[in-house]
Amino acid sequence: GDSVTQMEGPVTLSEEAFLTINCTYTATGYPSLFWYVQYPGEGLQLLLKATKADDKGSNKGFEATYRKETTSFHLEKGSVQVSDSAVYFCALSDTPGGANSKLTFGKGITLSVRP
Amino acid sequence: NAGVTQTPKFRILKIGQSMTLQCTQDMNHNYMYWYRQDPGMGLKLIYYSVGAGITDKGEVPNGYNVSRSTTEDFPLRLELAAPSQTSVYFCASRDRDRGGTEAFFGQGTRLTVV
Repeated sequence: GDSVTQMEGPVTLSEEAFLTINCTYTATGYPSLFWYVQYPGEGLQLLLKATKADDKGSNKGFEATYRKETTSFHLEKGSVQVSDSAVYFCALSDTPGGANSKLTFGKGITLSVRP
Repeated sequence: NAGVTQTPKFRILKIGQSMTLQCTQDMNHNYMYWYRQDPGMGLKLIYYSVGAGITDKGEVPNGYNVSRSTTEDFPLRLELAAPSQTSVYFCASRDRDRGGTEAFFGQGTRLTVV
């Protein structure tokens, strides 16, 4: 079945540092890929997405590129802020229009940014 | 626009008790999901539904039941609560998938079974 693997955490960075969070996936067909963010005490919310190979999703300074050849969707940000401290989840959705439109999530990684 | 609403936000149950976690969405979404979130384990899918009257099991359905009598509501029933069901539960919904369709999440229900 489908699966998503994220790098182990937690991650602690200083403000203005460069961020990379790795995500790889296993899926049949042509999944859509997502990054969701969860701030303390809240539900998940969509950060960015990509629906086909070589697409780049971007939002709030974060970027991720859908790499079919390496089955990866790594999240990057050039300069993190304290307000980026949160839990980040990589996720995939199986082929659009499929009978079982499930969302599969990775384990999540906690990011803490120090002032 | 309320989005996805879950109630209650917190609950403590004794072993063997039962309860229903409520989930309502006002976006007319076809797909709805129940996940549980345990520390370091990410989100595990319990049950999902692709429309009223249709439900299916996810990865971890044991000990839970669901129903989907209307498009808006997708309650999760716990029968005979066990300590292993201590978790944070999230309900989510999204529109029929046309590729990259965003899921919307509720605020979560923190359940403790003692």
